[in-house]
Amino acid sequence: DQQVKQNSPSLSVQEGRISILNCDYTNSMFDYFLWYKKYPAEGPTFLISISSIKDKNEDGRFTVFLNKSAKHLSLHIVPSQPGDSAVYFCAASAHAGGTSYGKLTFGQGTILTVHP
Amino acid sequence: GAGVSQSPRYKVTKRGQDVALRCDPISGHVSLYWYRQALGQGPEFLTYFNYEAQQDKSGLPNDRFSAERPEGSISTLTIQRTEQRDSAMYRCASSLATPIYGRAHNEQFFGPGTRLTVL
Repeated sequence: DQQVKQNSPSLSVQEGRISILNCDYTNSMFDYFLWYKKYPAEGPTFLISISSIKDKNEDGRFTVFLNKSAKHLSLHIVPSQPGDSAVYFCAASAHAGGTSYGKLTFGQGTILTVHP
Repeated sequence: GAGVSQSPRYKVTKRGQDVALRCDPISGHVSLYWYRQALGQGPEFLTYFNYEAQQDKSGLPNDRFSAERPEGSISTLTIQRTEQRDSAMYRCASSLATPIYGRAHNEQFFGPGTRLTVL
């Protein structure tokens, strides 16, 4: 039962262009969403997040969009740089009785390759 | 400062043996999380602690898996009578604050993981 899905295993983009990574979820209880970035041999590192009361959050070159009706979020990277090449995971959490925000549900990840 | 550390980084064991995986969170971090990651998949939640109290263990697959954090700092994930299906990367994360809506998840810092192989 995959509640968070990243249907594109990989994405290849030219340096300077936009990278768009997509994520779909099925659990309507999810109300907080995050993107993590992972380099080889390292743990995931937090990138950007968005709560369900917003539809957009921006941080420098990174913007996350949330479409609650479609249960879809996306991460836009503009402009893409070779150093952005990594695995990107989306994750979600649900407020359930005030104790469950610690539980993150992750997607399978998308490998982004940015070519010089 | 030092990040989250995990030991051992690699563990190979025979089926049926018990293993103990250690996580040393960032100093002062209140919450500690355990995840398991299969190859080509995202991390899968196992359990988490606020201080020494285990808040949610709904992700532990069965009663062979247990975790503790007796002094609210270092945590140990123990797998008894290991099976080949337990082979995976086990990741630990910590956060400065307890999970609260809109704040805490920005701050989950992950360690490098322990790669467990059960033969």
